[in-house]
Amino acid sequence: DTGVSQNPRHKITKRGQNVTFRCDPISEHNRLYWYRQTLGQGPEFLTYFQNEAQLEKSRLLSDRFSAERPKGSFSTLEIQRTEQGDSAMYLCASSRLNPGANVLTFGAGSRLTVL
Amino acid sequence: EDQVTQSPEALRLQEGESSSLNCSYTVSGLRGLFWYRQDPGKGPEFLFTLYSAGEEKEKERLKATLTKKESFLHITAPKPEDSATYLCAVQGSNRDDKIIFGKGTRLHILP
Repeated sequence: DTGVSQNPRHKITKRGQNVTFRCDPISEHNRLYWYRQTLGQGPEFLTYFQNEAQLEKSRLLSDRFSAERPKGSFSTLEIQRTEQGDSAMYLCASSRLNPGANVLTFGAGSRLTVL
Repeated sequence: EDQVTQSPEALRLQEGESSSLNCSYTVSGLRGLFWYRQDPGKGPEFLFTLYSAGEEKEKERLKATLTKKESFLHITAPKPEDSATYLCAVQGSNRDDKIIFGKGTRLHILP
């Protein structure tokens, strides 16, 4: 078990370009979450998957954001036509599916800078 | 809608000076309240889950408690290595199953 892996760790792009982040969760975890975190703020929920199904997507997420988890394993988060306001740390987390509360294991994050 | 409010935003303590961090929450049916620690440039690291009012959990110099409206993270005789941002999060019984985080408390322990 190597934990949750995110790539790339850092991405610098120009406004208007598309970017894609990848998350490899812990292998036996059914659930996968994406969060966005800006400086001085807590993680903001974006979306989550149970296996390959996307079960919830934040109302704050514009149509420029899309996430997939095609085979219920790794996930990708794509941001189209990036804007400077998209600059943030994008965090991925995974958890087992429990009837009780779900403890999240986070990756180290992918930091996006939009120039 | 579920909400989490943490206070203070930042706290500076001398080494050995005990204190408490507060997390106030609003949730429809609490499934769990979580505390995480986050170091700069890293993802949050799980500390505790609390499930019901009156529950307490301890780990080294940290103790988390829970009431029906808030949770406290007590830090006893802190050391400089305890410096980090401490995040509180809740998961409610809503169908959407989201886990919502507060903004965190930045704790700095001075040697």
